[in-house]
Amino acid sequence: KQEVTQIPAALSVPEGENLVLNCSFTDSAIYNLQWFRQDPGKGLTSLLLIQSSQREQTSGRLNASLDKSSGRSTLYIAASQPGDSATYLCAVTQDTGRRALTFGSGTRLQVQP
Amino acid sequence: SAVISQKPSRDICQRGTSLTIQCQVDSQVTMMFWYRQQPGQSLTLIATANQGSEATYESGFVIDKFPISRPNLTFSTLTVSNMSPEDSSIYLCSVAPGGRRYEQYFGPGTRLTVT
Repeated sequence: KQEVTQIPAALSVPEGENLVLNCSFTDSAIYNLQWFRQDPGKGLTSLLLIQSSQREQTSGRLNASLDKSSGRSTLYIAASQPGDSATYLCAVTQDTGRRALTFGSGTRLQVQP
Repeated sequence: SAVISQKPSRDICQRGTSLTIQCQVDSQVTMMFWYRQQPGQSLTLIATANQGSEATYESGFVIDKFPISRPNLTFSTLTVSNMSPEDSSIYLCSVAPGGRRYEQYFGPGTRLTVT
């Protein structure tokens, strides 16, 4: 059974810092990996999707990398801003035809102005 | 991408009653899912809503408690039956519009409180 772990559980940084969020998964037979953002009491916003054949994806100040063989992904946020404060969730889709997501527990990020 | 709406956005319900949550998508999608997010926790898949057939439930979730309908490719409902305070959660529907990417998009969620 796939298990997804995110470290750290919470992070507080001053504005302007670059930061890295970590995600690991136990079963490397994944189809893709998605990073989401969730604001308090809200739904999820998809940030980046990495296919299993890809190594990284970039969108603006966000860069996500994937090392499928070692079961790891990182989300890099450059020049953090207070508006980046949210919970960041990592989720994987298995390469089995079952396309539902298995989620990590999330990293709660606070960027201090 | 896909635009997803859910109704209601939130509700407070009495123990023992049932609530039906609606999920509407702005385009036809093959795959639609229902997730639950209990307070302070991450998301757990309840079931895959299959158009024209019975939903596929995950371990720990049963049809009698969480009946799901999927009458067409743009709409689904999830009912939370005979509610107890432990059912207090955010319920989210998601879709994977298709193509090879299987990128998933989520609705805004329904915040349910059971008293």
